[in-house]
Amino acid sequence: DAGVTQSPTHLIKTRGQQVTLRCSPKSGHDTVSWYQQALGQGPQFIFQYYEEEERQRGNFPDRFSGHQFPNYSSELNVNALLLGDSALYLCASRLGGARVTQYFGPGTRLTVL
Amino acid sequence: GQQVMQIPQYQHVQEGEDFTTYCNSSTTLSNIQWYKQRPGGHPVFLIQLVKSGEVKKQKRLTFQFGEAKKNSSLHITATQTTDVGTYFCAGNNYGQNFVFGPGTRLSVLP
Repeated sequence: DAGVTQSPTHLIKTRGQQVTLRCSPKSGHDTVSWYQQALGQGPQFIFQYYEEEERQRGNFPDRFSGHQFPNYSSELNVNALLLGDSALYLCASRLGGARVTQYFGPGTRLTVL
Repeated sequence: GQQVMQIPQYQHVQEGEDFTTYCNSSTTLSNIQWYKQRPGGHPVFLIQLVKSGEVKKQKRLTFQFGEAKKNSSLHITATQTTDVGTYFCAGNNYGQNFVFGPGTRLSVLP
């Protein structure tokens, strides 16, 4: 039973470019959340997807967008990259509401030059 | 909006000493979760607390949820080098997403 997987592992982009990160949830999980973790800080909630719709959103600009597919996998897109977007991007999945365990993937390390 | 704070930011202990990290929320929480992140790794779920005043134990780890459901603590007895990492609390304010604290980074000297 595979856990949460994310691709790519590492990514280097330049300012102004666009990036797409991918996440496959743990088997049987239907809810996917994305977090941004800057170096030395705690994860910050970006948004959450359930039934292919964005259900909740944190305090992130519209440059951050996402998508969930019928198989529950998800993508995070970031447009017009800024230096400050450099971070570890984590995907977490769970089945059900907020009182269940959520499992994090290994993350994608994005560096913006 | 909801804010979650943790103290201390860093803690260096000698192996065998105890360790405690404290988590405080600006709002009442419906539940709180604790995670451990090893250096270079990702957060790993440790436990969830739901009830006011709840205390849960996992071997050498003891977790408490405050009576007012606005604070929590994690206590590790007799630390080991395997306890090294950053411990995060994440609070849920009756919503569907969690607000993470900044974490407490634990170093254990052998």
